[in-house]
Amino acid sequence: KAGVTQTPRYLIKTRGQQVTLSCSPISGHRSVSWYQQTPGQGLQFLFEYFSETQRNKGNFPGRFSGRQFSNSRSEMNVSTLELGDSALYLCASSPISSTGFYGYTFGSGTRLTVV
Amino acid sequence: AQKITQTQPGMFVQEKEAVTLDCTYDTSDPSYGLFWYKQPSSGEMIFLIYQGSYDQQNATEGRYSLNFQKARKSANLVISASQLGDSAMYFCAMREGTGTASKLTFGTGTRLQVTL
Repeated sequence: KAGVTQTPRYLIKTRGQQVTLSCSPISGHRSVSWYQQTPGQGLQFLFEYFSETQRNKGNFPGRFSGRQFSNSRSEMNVSTLELGDSALYLCASSPISSTGFYGYTFGSGTRLTVV
Repeated sequence: AQKITQTQPGMFVQEKEAVTLDCTYDTSDPSYGLFWYKQPSSGEMIFLIYQGSYDQQNATEGRYSLNFQKARKSANLVISASQLGDSAMYFCAMREGTGTASKLTFGTGTRLQVTL
């Protein structure tokens, strides 16, 4: 069973540019969530998508956006990049269940450097 | 207030010894789940163990066990027989509520170094 695939693994962008990151969840998983990890702020929740709808959003500016396609693949976009956006961006997929345990499987992340 | 607190920024343990990583949490939701993840230098978050708030017994997964003390709101990870490959960052995380919209709240992590 293939894991969560994030592309690209590494990215270098210039301030003011925009970037799109991709996440392919485990087959059958309909929930995809995104997290930002920085040395200063730690791991912070960005947003979660389920069946192409954003269900939950973290406390990030509107420059951060995302979407989910009908095949559950998700993209996140950051516009007008700032130096502080340099981080490891992690995607997690989950089968989601209304009861009981459901876990989160993370991808290897995309390391974004803004220069 | 911090929802997940990990008070040990770094820990050292000798190979083959057991180590306990501390985690306390804060929630008023009666239904929640507690997770431990391992993050090696490669960056991937690797799931280790899960404890549900209604679970009667402490969770165990191989060399990992979770010491769940609900009244004290603590969920410490115990790694038995440490191996060199256990050297990594360890994160405690909580999911509140059930079903629909969900997110994980993470602690600041503990860096574990296993020595010979």
